[in-house]
Amino acid sequence: SAVISQKPSRDICQRGTSLTIQCQVDSQVTMMFWYRQQPGQSLTLIATANQGSEATYESGFVIDKFPISRPNLTFSTLTVSNMSPEDSSIYLCSISAGLHYEQYFGPGTRLTVT
Amino acid sequence: AQTVTQSQPEMSVQEAETVTLSCTYDTSESNYYLFWYKQPPSRQMILVIRQEAYKQQNATENRFSVNFQKAAKSFSLKISDSQLGDTAMYFCAFMDGAGSYQLTFGKGTKLSVIP
Repeated sequence: SAVISQKPSRDICQRGTSLTIQCQVDSQVTMMFWYRQQPGQSLTLIATANQGSEATYESGFVIDKFPISRPNLTFSTLTVSNMSPEDSSIYLCSISAGLHYEQYFGPGTRLTVT
Repeated sequence: AQTVTQSQPEMSVQEAETVTLSCTYDTSESNYYLFWYKQPPSRQMILVIRQEAYKQQNATENRFSVNFQKAAKSFSLKISDSQLGDTAMYFCAFMDGAGSYQLTFGKGTKLSVIP
């Protein structure tokens, strides 16, 4: 199965700043996803990032706040812009792979905004 | 829109015993997939088991098995011979078969295995 890595693993940021999270996969994949997991909560899909097209955002998430890049089939970035303490969460990327397109997840980035 | 409900926020089980985690879902789709994911305190999400809706046979992966009741829209996870490493959050997830490939997660069940 593919190996998925994320950078940074954790960060503490000041409000009003931006952080870019990287997701690297060791094989080519078409579909990548970004999720947010707020403290003690389940996962919420932010957007779907397919190579060669604009990211598709879910209700409640906008491109200005969470711009996503997908320059090739192995890499994607998610930027959390103009951060506030409410953005403190774990951010996870995932890929769709396998016989039935099941998703596999990266280790996550724990973001704390002060 | 699909919804996934996990009615047990927390559960505990003695080591070596068996425990069942519940999950129900709501959908109008006939073709879909169901998953159980495990998230240990290290936060890495790990796929535990998968079930295709068109298969009547319940999926099994070593100590993990499911009880899939399509008519009742129920998808429970049974963990046999529980081990300390099974301590984690368990999330039930739904994916429709229409091609969105998006997962809808339940709120999770925190499982503690007691020595």
